[in-house]
Amino acid sequence: IAGITQAPTSQILAAGRRMTLRCTQDMRHNAMYWYRQDLGLGLRLIHYSNTAGTTGKGEVPDGYSVSRANTDDFPLTLASAVPSQTSVYFCASSDRVGAEAFFGQGTRLTVV
Amino acid sequence: GESVGLHLPTLSVQEGDNSIINCAYSNSASDYFIWYKQESGKGPQFIIDIRSNMDKRQGQRVTVLLNKTVKHLSLQIAATQPGDSAVYFCAENAGNLANAGGTSYGKLTFGQGTILTVHP
Repeated sequence: IAGITQAPTSQILAAGRRMTLRCTQDMRHNAMYWYRQDLGLGLRLIHYSNTAGTTGKGEVPDGYSVSRANTDDFPLTLASAVPSQTSVYFCASSDRVGAEAFFGQGTRLTVV
Repeated sequence: GESVGLHLPTLSVQEGDNSIINCAYSNSASDYFIWYKQESGKGPQFIIDIRSNMDKRQGQRVTVLLNKTVKHLSLQIAATQPGDSAVYFCAENAGNLANAGGTSYGKLTFGQGTILTVHP
């Protein structure tokens, strides 16, 4: 049982470059989320998707975009990376209102 | 308890002792709370949850207590083991994410985390 798979596991990226973080889930969950985790700031929601074809902004959406073409995939794109986007990124999903979110293993991104 | 800042709260216990991790939440309208465990290099893992119509819920070796009057949540771990060493996060369902034409889902807001270290 895979659950949620994120790729890549880690990446070093030059500032100004474009990067897409991939997230795939096999649980048929309707809702998916992208969080970033920074020491002392906990997990902060970047973007979310309630269901395929819809997306919304979270707490820290600037500099990021998402798409939800189907139920399983929820890629996160950094159009032009900046050093402040250095973080660990977690994708998560949940199947219904008020349910717990299941997390992937994370992508460690360093922007230099 | 959890707090904002660069230094996470820490709790050190001896193996076999009971651990209590505290969390103060901010939104009085929150109706669902979750505790997550995060080991180094891994994603958060669900431990236990509780809804606002309850004040206590027990799992295997873990108990969550909810005090809505003072907006406080705690996680009790019985007979703490070295494998329990991790960062523990509380999360609250702080309201619905409105989406035009779609179904609203609860948004989880996370606390800063508490580092639990269990010494053999």
